Amino acid sequence: NAGVTQTPKFRILKIGQSMTLQCTQDMNHNYMYWYRQDPGMGLKLIYYSVGAGITDKGEVPNGYNVSRSTTEDFPLRLELAAPSQTSVYFCASSYSGTGSYEQYFGPGTRLTVT
Amino acid sequence: RKEVEQDPGPFNVPEGATVAFNCTYSNSASQSFFWYRQDCRKEPKLLMSVYSSGNEDGRFTAQLNRASQYISLLIRDSKLSDSATYLCVAFRSDGNQFYFGTGTSLTVIP
Repeated sequence: NAGVTQTPKFRILKIGQSMTLQCTQDMNHNYMYWYRQDPGMGLKLIYYSVGAGITDKGEVPNGYNVSRSTTEDFPLRLELAAPSQTSVYFCASSYSGTGSYEQYFGPGTRLTVT
Repeated sequence: RKEVEQDPGPFNVPEGATVAFNCTYSNSASQSFFWYRQDCRKEPKLLMSVYSSGNEDGRFTAQLNRASQYISLLIRDSKLSDSATYLCVAFRSDGNQFYFGTGTSLTVIP
């Protein structure tokens, strides 16, 4: 199993540009999450999904959109990038079926908006 | 009040030392608990889940006290490779969300 994979690893955007951060998991997890982590700070939840077709806002959803058309994929869309969106973005997944809810993270996407 | 609070440290300990990290959670509806480690500029990695009965994995021991809403992690015989930030995490199924502490920084000194 590859686990949780994210692409790209790094990206530089100009203000106002848009992009999609890709996230895929091959563990058949039903729950998926997007977090951002600013330098020296904790993780903040952007959006999450408890299954295909279901998404919910987290703590900091403004400026982002998500979709969950399949169990495996959970892309994060940035519209009109702003310098405040410079951060490291982590995708994560977990499985509710066993009741353990252990969460596994992808390697992250480092985004700079200039 | 934050859902999960932990001492940010930093903790600087010599090799071979025993170090303990503590964490409290504010919502009694939290049902699952975890310790993650995060190396600089890397993703958080699951260190261990925390069970009410306490659990041990090699040099690492985790404890949960539901009455006091308190979680701990004990690291024995610290190694240089244990240097990292340790994150305390609580999960609530009523909102299907994980709540992360801000992390405790550990540096093990030769």
